[in-house]
Amino acid sequence: GAGVSQSPSNKVTEKGKDVELRCDPISGHTALYWYRQRLGQGLEFLIYFQGNSAPDKSGLPSDRFSAERTGESVSTLTIQRTQQEDSAVYLCASSLGVGGPEQYFGPGTRLTVT
Amino acid sequence: GQQVMQIPQYQHVQEGEDFTTYCNSSTTLSNIQWYKQRPGGHPVFLIQLVKSGEVKKQKRLTFQFGEAKKNSSLHITATQTTDVGTYFCAGLRNQFYFGTGTSLTVIP
Repeated sequence: GAGVSQSPSNKVTEKGKDVELRCDPISGHTALYWYRQRLGQGLEFLIYFQGNSAPDKSGLPSDRFSAERTGESVSTLTIQRTQQEDSAVYLCASSLGVGGPEQYFGPGTRLTVT
Repeated sequence: GQQVMQIPQYQHVQEGEDFTTYCNSSTTLSNIQWYKQRPGGHPVFLIQLVKSGEVKKQKRLTFQFGEAKKNSSLHITATQTTDVGTYFCAGLRNQFYFGTGTSLTVIP
């Protein structure tokens, strides 16, 4: 596998529904990151994993957001009871370890909540 | 709250002019990385700086890390239309803190 992949690429959902976003990191990368990017804005850190553990969940915007990672591989970001302000591109990145040397970003999932 | 500030937010330059974006942290960083995001694309790694006062060059791009490891800059000499995009710094403390980005427009 080449780079980081994310699915779906686009997701349109109705307000109040739950959504699950998936990230497949580069094989062997122990660190995995989730970011949110609203239109024309910077990157908002959500959460990172070192292996399957998330040492710091303080970046998650609310308790409607949760994430998990299994097998030091795939990660899912779940948003429950979606709100319109959740509309954004959700980017996943992976790196060999926390701290770099560089993060490889996936193409992102564009989430639109109607 | 925001721990890494980046200025300016937007910059328009004529092709051939120079461009600089600045990144400032409220706390000392372990290292700093720079990324470029083309319109409609995802961030792509440019470089990492680790040492105090470090300067690195990539062709027309010059990256600096401040002596106190709290600030950094990216300077582009003689901009080209291919330089268009948003440039982000990302400082590492216990996690990566991305700057707000500087959107560069190059006018041909």
